[in-house]
Amino acid sequence: GAVVSQHPSRVICKSGTSVKIECRSLDFQATTMFWYRQFPKQSLMLMATSNEGSKATYEQGVEKDKFLINHASLTLSTLTVTSAHPEDSSFYICSAYLGLAGGPRETQYFGPGTRLLVL
Amino acid sequence: DQQVKQNSPSLSVQEGRISILNCDYTNSMFDYFLWYKKYPAEGPTFLISISSIKDKNEDGRFTVFLNKSAKHLSLHIVPSQPGDSAVYFCAASVKGGGNKLTFGTGTQLKVEL
Repeated sequence: GAVVSQHPSRVICKSGTSVKIECRSLDFQATTMFWYRQFPKQSLMLMATSNEGSKATYEQGVEKDKFLINHASLTLSTLTVTSAHPEDSSFYICSAYLGLAGGPRETQYFGPGTRLLVL
Repeated sequence: DQQVKQNSPSLSVQEGRISILNCDYTNSMFDYFLWYKKYPAEGPTFLISISSIKDKNEDGRFTVFLNKSAKHLSLHIVPSQPGDSAVYFCAASVKGGGNKLTFGTGTQLKVEL
């Protein structure tokens, strides 16, 4: 199946710093990528939809200026957590959508996730 | 507002027996449902899906049942194998919703020898 990678897999940073997480589709081009966050023992919460070459669409309650998303190419989307605080500590997962609009909805491939810990 | 709920955080089943994982939803606009399996430190992987026009979909050892009137779906795994031990997420999407998925909280399945 299609492979999606994330980097880094784990990051620890000081409060107030910014952290960039990369999501890459390794063997296919993804016009759409999604960013999720997961708190312990909770579901994956969609943060934003990232479309190549256009601005990301954020879900209600997600701060655009806090979580900067850039989808510069068909294989790379980045999530930057700006001025991170301890409450931003979470597991961040991206997914890449393979297929044309209206295609099977299961063709969404997930990365392995990035564990962020803000001290 | 948790639109997709998995009320059992964990389930333990003996190898060879049937595993039944349940999922309830509240949004009547959902028309497509998916099950994902997730191992620790990995992203979810797709297992099986069902459209709201069906009430059953089967793929090998995995069968998903949908009861629209009850807004309930279940995943049956038979026979269960130790390698099935993982967290299972139910997810749902709305037609025309840009392929966005709403996930449940997950059920940790443990298949014991």
